[in-house]
Amino acid sequence: GAGVSQSPSNKVTEKGKDVELRCDPISGHTALYWYRQSLGQGLEFLIYFQGNSAPDKSGLPSDRFSAERTGGSVSTLTIQRTQQEDSAVYLCASSPTGDRGYTFGSGTRLTVV
Amino acid sequence: AQRVTQPEKLLSVFKGAPVELKCNYSYSGSPELFWYVQYSRQRLQLLLRHISRESIKGFTADLNKGETSFHLKKPFAQEEDSAMYYCALLVGTYKYIFGTGTRLKVLA
Repeated sequence: GAGVSQSPSNKVTEKGKDVELRCDPISGHTALYWYRQSLGQGLEFLIYFQGNSAPDKSGLPSDRFSAERTGGSVSTLTIQRTQQEDSAVYLCASSPTGDRGYTFGSGTRLTVV
Repeated sequence: AQRVTQPEKLLSVFKGAPVELKCNYSYSGSPELFWYVQYSRQRLQLLLRHISRESIKGFTADLNKGETSFHLKKPFAQEEDSAMYYCALLVGTYKYIFGTGTRLKVLA
């Protein structure tokens, strides 16, 4: 596609429910990243994909968080048993191999009530 | 420790005045630094990277390794420059550490 697409743009969920956030990167971009931005904080790295594999998952804050990428394209970030501290904007970005500049999606604003 | 510090949460300047958005970093390796910008109701986008030594929309940023700084400058601010600006340090080959951002308001 023309840009990085994320869905949904907004998600309100009850504490304890599971949520799935989707990212559709730019076609041909092999690298995909998830970051999150909590209120008043900078962007926090979550996970990096190269193709379908995730060589760096070091930023996932707990085992309630997982992500996968299929077909070298779409990625899904899953948060199980959501907590209020999971409320944040979740940003996805992609880049071609070797390019350090990211193209970001517009984000998913997650609110856990 | 790897860290990016943007000391100002908000910077207000008048149109036509010079702008300097401060960024300091802490990194033991050879730093590669970037500025990203988010205009109102738009997504975060790359503004410039230090290795390109480019000027984008009149903005420049010079890496000063002695002062561990990468300040963003523009000689004459425009109203359309109002946005949130993030300084970012590349750690390794793919991961960024972002600062907390500075909101720039350019007043008419």
